[in-house]
Amino acid sequence: QQQVKQSPQSLIVQKGGISIINCAYENTAFDYFPWYQQFPGKGPALLIAIRPDVSEKKEGRFTISFNKSAKQFSLHIMDSQPGDSATYFCAASKGTYKYIFGTGTRLKVLA
Amino acid sequence: GAGVSQSPSNKVTEKGKDVELRCDPISGHTALYWYRQSLGQGLEFLIYFQGNSAPDKSGLPSDRFSAERTGGSVSTLTIQRTQQEDSAVYLCASSLVSQGRNTEAFFGQGTRLTVV
Repeated sequence: QQQVKQSPQSLIVQKGGISIINCAYENTAFDYFPWYQQFPGKGPALLIAIRPDVSEKKEGRFTISFNKSAKQFSLHIMDSQPGDSATYFCAASKGTYKYIFGTGTRLKVLA
Repeated sequence: GAGVSQSPSNKVTEKGKDVELRCDPISGHTALYWYRQSLGQGLEFLIYFQGNSAPDKSGLPSDRFSAERTGGSVSTLTIQRTQQEDSAVYLCASSLVSQGRNTEAFFGQGTRLTVV
């Protein structure tokens, strides 16, 4: 019940296209859903996050869509760029409980 | 410091030796995490410290692994009798608690451990 399932494992997108990564969770008590971006040789860094009181959050080209009833949330990268090529992790947390991370999605954006 | 600092950045050790990895979290962050990441893989949870609560050690893979956090700040992850399968990047993160909830977790650059 503490798992966060992430898909796809890898994704190849053409420059200018839309990248979509999905996550699903079971625990309805989760109240914070961040997405992290990791470049090779670096630690993950927060990209964008959402709380369950809103259904969508947009920051520049990055949007989180949140479906509380389906217990799913997704990251959309509009106008994907080669510089977006990285590994993306979704996560979930409740209160002061530890973060539960998804298994990661390796995104490659072709020039 | 401005961010989470980990040391050393790289460590090569012989099989059977003990190693200590250090994490300096962001000042004031009450939550501290250790994760392990094998090449091209996801984040494997190891241990979680939150304030003065007992740490969540549920992710430690064996009794060769231990961690402590002194004075609610610096943390040390110790691996005894290292094995080749311990080779990985060990990541530390810290976060603040706001209104009774975790906020953004900030990660360090990691320690790359190689057991030869």
